Formats: sequence, C-alpha cells, structure tokens
Amino acid sequence: DQQVKQNSPSLSVQEGRISILNCDYTNSMFDYFLWYKKYPAEGPTFLISISSIKDKNEDGRFTVFLNKSAKHLSLHIVPSQPGDSAVYFCAAPGDNYGQNFVFGPGTRLSVLP
Amino acid sequence: KAGVTQTPRYLIKTRGQQVTLSCSPISGHRSVSWYQQTPGQGLQFLFEYFSETQRNKGNFPGRFSGRQFSNSRSEMNVSTLELGDSALYLCASSPLTSGSSYEQYFGPGTRLTVT
Repeated sequence: DQQVKQNSPSLSVQEGRISILNCDYTNSMFDYFLWYKKYPAEGPTFLISISSIKDKNEDGRFTVFLNKSAKHLSLHIVPSQPGDSAVYFCAAPGDNYGQNFVFGPGTRLSVLP
Repeated sequence: KAGVTQTPRYLIKTRGQQVTLSCSPISGHRSVSWYQQTPGQGLQFLFEYFSETQRNKGNFPGRFSGRQFSNSRSEMNVSTLELGDSALYLCASSPLTSGSSYEQYFGPGTRLTVT
C-alpha cells in the first residue's frame, strides 16, 4: 500500500528566494512521481515529474529531486514568484498498473512580494 | 487543444438522491480517472477507465460507479447520496503515450453539495 506524506501544511517564502517543498512515500516498488499545483476553484495542474531512473529533473524554475534510499522527493522553485502561491501536491503510483495515484495532503505555498 | 471539461460545475442534491457527473477528456486521451477531494481526506482515487473498461478502483463503496463511452467521455454516478459525499469531484485524463505515460491532466471539477 502506498502512502504519501507532505509534512509541511504551509510554507511562506520571500519573492526571489528558493521554495523547497518536501514529500515522503512508503512504497518504493513504483517508479514514477508527479507534482501538481492547485489554485482555488481549479483542478490540479501537472507541474513536473520524475522517474526513478533519475535523481533530478529540471523544467525552468522547477526542479524535482528524488532520493530513492530515503524515499523522499523535493520540489525546488527558484526564484519564487508571487504567482507560484498555490497548493502543491506530490503524487505516487498506488500500484503498478493504470492511473491509481496516491496524493499527499498538499503544502500551501505563499510567496510574499 | 481543449482541456478536460466537466459538467456540471456545481450541483446541490439532497440525501438519498442520485447524481451523474460527466467528463470529457482531452482529445486523443483514452484514460480517464476520477478523484474525490475533501478537506479531511484530500485527493482520493475513485476509479480509472481505459477503452471503456474499468482498470482500477479505489476504496469507495459500490454506490460510486462509472463508465466510459467509445469516444472516451466518462460519467460517474453516485446513488443514495449521503452528506459525506459532499466534495469536489475531479476527472483527469492521460495520454498514456511513451514519455508521458503517467501524466494526468485534471478538469476544473464538479462541486457536489449534499443537503
């Protein structure tokens, strides 16, 4: 059974600085992880993914790091912008077939101007 | 390309009634998943359909059901509504093509309120 934890419910960061959001998972059998961003009254928006064959994936200001031995993911946003203020969800496969993803509870990021 | 669309966006029902929600995936996407989002439980997987077949199901009672049509559009149905079914219901579609196999694209959701 997969569990996904995001232990920080909220995070405040100054504009221009780095935001680091963390995620821990329990079942390392599955090899693909996703990050989503969600604004109020909208569905989650896919942000970035990482496969377990890598330990880092970068897309513009967003970088995801994977530490397989620690079963830990982190999302780095550099530089942070006020428009990044949203709830960020980490997701891991619940099983090895289909699209059963287990989502973490989310971290609310506030980027202060 | 148009995104995932869900109808209706808002719905108010009373206990005991049933409800049907609709989802149109992104054109060309054959996988459609449904999730329930509540403040207490977060985002929870309901089920996934691919080529009109339910491939995967989460831990929800049998009152929750769904189907997928040949054009990949999907519906989910909740019968005998309970107050605890009040939630945001999200539909997500996935291309399931090489290089993007697991990425899911979400619709705006249907906000269901049961009174």
